[in-house]
Order: sequence, then structure tokens, then C-alpha cells
Amino acid sequence: EIVLTQSPDFQSVTPKEKVTITCRASQSIGSRLHWYQQKPDQSPKLLIKSASQSMSGVPSRFSGSGSGTDFTLTINSLEAEDAAAYYCHQTSSLPYTFGQGTKLDIK
Amino acid sequence: QVHMVESGGGVVQPGRSLRLSCVASGFTFRNFGTHWVRQAPGRGLEWVAGISDDATGQSYIDSVRGRFTISRDNSKNTLYLQMASLRPEDTAVYFCAKEHGSFDGFDIWGQGTMVTVSS
Repeated sequence: EIVLTQSPDFQSVTPKEKVTITCRASQSIGSRLHWYQQKPDQSPKLLIKSASQSMSGVPSRFSGSGSGTDFTLTINSLEAEDAAAYYCHQTSSLPYTFGQGTKLDIK
Repeated sequence: QVHMVESGGGVVQPGRSLRLSCVASGFTFRNFGTHWVRQAPGRGLEWVAGISDDATGQSYIDSVRGRFTISRDNSKNTLYLQMASLRPEDTAVYFCAKEHGSFDGFDIWGQGTMVTVSS
């Protein structure tokens, strides 16, 4: 099983700040890494697929990068509405796995 | 409008069974792999099971293999999860989700249905 480890687990940030969340895979997964945003009591929303491809309608301040074992989700100029949990997810091999999540709190 | 709507959750005693359903609309259901993902209270996301677009392939997380069965009826645009021998640790919100494409992320999710396993 591929283990995904996110960092940090929790971050308190101010609006307009730049945020970087990392996801490290226990073995190479190519670019089969995706990022989700989940707000309280909502379903997850796919933000970035295949490491760096933004989904339609996702604000341009969200971007993804990386390949192999190290990946990054970057949020430029954070907005209050970005308060949420963020998860990485790999579909390189079964069982598919998720990172433990990163909770962003807006000050 | 693209939707996936789960049903069938509830409170059940340990060792009992439950069947979840997920009805899809707004897209060609038979063209996409679909999955169940669960989230225990206050915890993160856990992939549970997946099934190919034509139902010829199924996969499971180790902790549910042999107890849960994923299936689909493409004529009814419906995904199922038959859960047997339920354990307290199966307590979670269960989401159905569709693949954006092969090996892609999951772009459409249901609202979730809560399963509570308790005596």
C-alpha cells in the first residue's frame, strides 16, 4: 500500500498569504496524484488532477506541482473562503489512498 | 446537472448487514469507474472499494475484503455497496464518487450517507 504523508497537519494563516501544502508518497506514483478541498459538512471537491492540472472552475490561485514521490499544492493570495481541509490522493496503484489531510484555518 | 445521490445508511448492530445505493444522473454512468470512499467522524478520507465501468473489475481495501461487495447496474445508473458482518470501526459517512477518467481523480461526489454500527 502506498502511504501519502501530508505536511503540515494544521496551519493557521491570514488572508492574502501564500500557502504551501506538501504530499510525499512512500514510493513513486508518477503524476497520479490529485488534490481535494473539503469544507465542513460538505463532500470533497477535486481541485487538481494528475499533479498539476486544474479542474474547470477552480480559482487560478490554486496550483499543483511535482512528480514521483514529492508533490505540492500552492494557494496564492489566500482568501477567507479557502478555510477547509485539503487531501492528496493517489490512483497509481490499488488500494487507492489519501493523505491524512491538512486543515487550514483563516485568522 | 450532474449528481450522485446516496441512500441506505442508518444505525445497525454489529454483525448485521446494510446495502448502500448511489443513483447517478447528468452523465453517461456506464462510461466511468466508480468508487466508495468513507470518512469516520472527525477523521480523514479512506478509499473503500472501486468498480470498473463495465463491472468486470472490483477492488477493495483489505479491511473490508470478504465482507463488502461493490456492484453496479448500468441500466439503472446505480452503484451499490453491500456491507455484511459490520463492525463498529465501519462507522462513517460513505460517499460514492466517479472517476474523471482512468487513473484520474474523483470529480463528482455524492453528499454522503451515514452508517453507524453500534449495539
